[in-house]
Amino acid sequence: DAGVTQSPTHLIKTRGQQVTLRCSPISGHKSVSWYQQVLGQGPQFIFQYYEKEERGRGNFPDRFSARQFPNYSSELNVNALLLGDSALYLCASSSGTGGNQPQHFGDGTRLSIL
Amino acid sequence: QQPVQSPQAVILREGEDAVINCSSSKALYSVHWYRQKHGEAPVFLMILLKGGEQKGHDKISASFNEKKQQSSLYLTASQLSYSGTYFCGTEWGGTSYGKLTFGQGTILTVHP
Repeated sequence: DAGVTQSPTHLIKTRGQQVTLRCSPISGHKSVSWYQQVLGQGPQFIFQYYEKEERGRGNFPDRFSARQFPNYSSELNVNALLLGDSALYLCASSSGTGGNQPQHFGDGTRLSIL
Repeated sequence: QQPVQSPQAVILREGEDAVINCSSSKALYSVHWYRQKHGEAPVFLMILLKGGEQKGHDKISASFNEKKQQSSLYLTASQLSYSGTYFCGTEWGGTSYGKLTFGQGTILTVHP
C-alpha cells in the first residue's frame, strides 16, 4: 500500500508570496495533520483535520490555513510568506483522532523562502 | 509545553545499549516514539499509553512511567541502522487528541 504522499517535494518562493502544499493520506485513513519542522528541531503541530472538519490548530498565525477534501486529501496554504516560514512541512495521516492512533508521516515538502 | 528529552546526543559502538528519556511537566495520555534519518520523514516506532505499559519492537522497547510522567526508549545491541534522531511526541488528552507535541530530539550515532 502507498504511504502518505506529499507534493511538491521542494519549493522556492520569495517573501510575500503564497504557497499551497498537498497531501494524500494512506488509503483508509481519515485524519490528516500538518507539522512544521525547522532544521534541528522537532516537528511543530499546525492543524489536524478529520472528516473534512478542523479538529485542532496549533500556535500559528492566520496566514496558515488548511482544508480537507471528500477523498481525505488535504492542502496547506500559507499566505504572505516570511523568511521564517522556511522549513520542512510534514503531513501525517492516521485512521482516527484518538490518542492511541499512530500518525504516519510523508516525506515532506521543503519550502525555502528567499 | 514541550517535553524534554535526554540525553541530547549519544554515541555508541555497534552492539552497545542506549536509553533515551522523555519527560513531561503535564499529565500524559500517550507518548509516540519516532526515528528520523537526515533528509527523511520521521518513522513511527511505537505508542505508549498511560498505565505503565511496556512495548517491544525487535531490539527496541519502551516504557511509560505514569507516576513520573516519563517515557524511556531502550535500544539494545545497537545496529548501524539505528543511527538517527529520535523524537518523542506527547499527547495530553482532552482536546489535544491527535495533536503531538514533540521534544527537541536525541541524536543517536552508532559506529562500527
